Amino acid sequence: AQKITQTQPGMFVQEKEAVTLDCTYDTSDQSYGLFWYKQPSSGEMIFLIYQGSYDEQNATEGRYSLNFQKARKSANLVISASQLGDSAMYFCAMSNTNAGKSTFGDGTTLTVKP
Amino acid sequence: GAVVSQHPSRVICKSGTSVKIECRSLDFQATTMFWYRQFPKQSLMLMATSNEGSKATYEQGVEKDKFLINHASLTLSTLTVTSAHPEDSSFYICSARRGLAGASWQYFGPGTRLTVT
Repeated sequence: AQKITQTQPGMFVQEKEAVTLDCTYDTSDQSYGLFWYKQPSSGEMIFLIYQGSYDEQNATEGRYSLNFQKARKSANLVISASQLGDSAMYFCAMSNTNAGKSTFGDGTTLTVKP
Repeated sequence: GAVVSQHPSRVICKSGTSVKIECRSLDFQATTMFWYRQFPKQSLMLMATSNEGSKATYEQGVEKDKFLINHASLTLSTLTVTSAHPEDSSFYICSARRGLAGASWQYFGPGTRLTVT
């Protein structure tokens, strides 16, 4: 069974500063994918970044980077230069490569202060 | 990029009636679609996995007779909430898996907010 743990229910960050959202996972699979999604108040799930279990380099997508530490089973999301529009709920998710279905963490609500 | 649509985006129905939610992959074929349910301020809970041409696989605790899923084509899956009750009020999100086994990407629809009065 797969499990995703996000220990920060809520986070605050000052505009233009960087913030790290924590995510740890547990799985017995060797091949898996880790995802981060942003969910604004509208409800849509916005894909942010992906890390494959065999990827040796940390994924980056613009202001988003994923700090992947496989031995520690952690996949933290780093948002640099926070913007007011970054205020949303953020979900870490894991997907088994074969089954495809995802397991989601409980989410972290990020609030960016002006 | 891959686009998944859901219809309707919002629906209000009376207790005891049934409501159908459609999930469409607009620019790719999806052999597998997933249905999630989300309560306010909570995570997404997988309800079922829908495979084209076969019966859906439901997660433990999900009533298959209440939440009917049909995946009749490679671009359309439907979720029917039968005899809806106020406790079924929730945000329902579908996602579509692109490609065959070995691909873990899912593309999410915008969600459907169901309110049962």
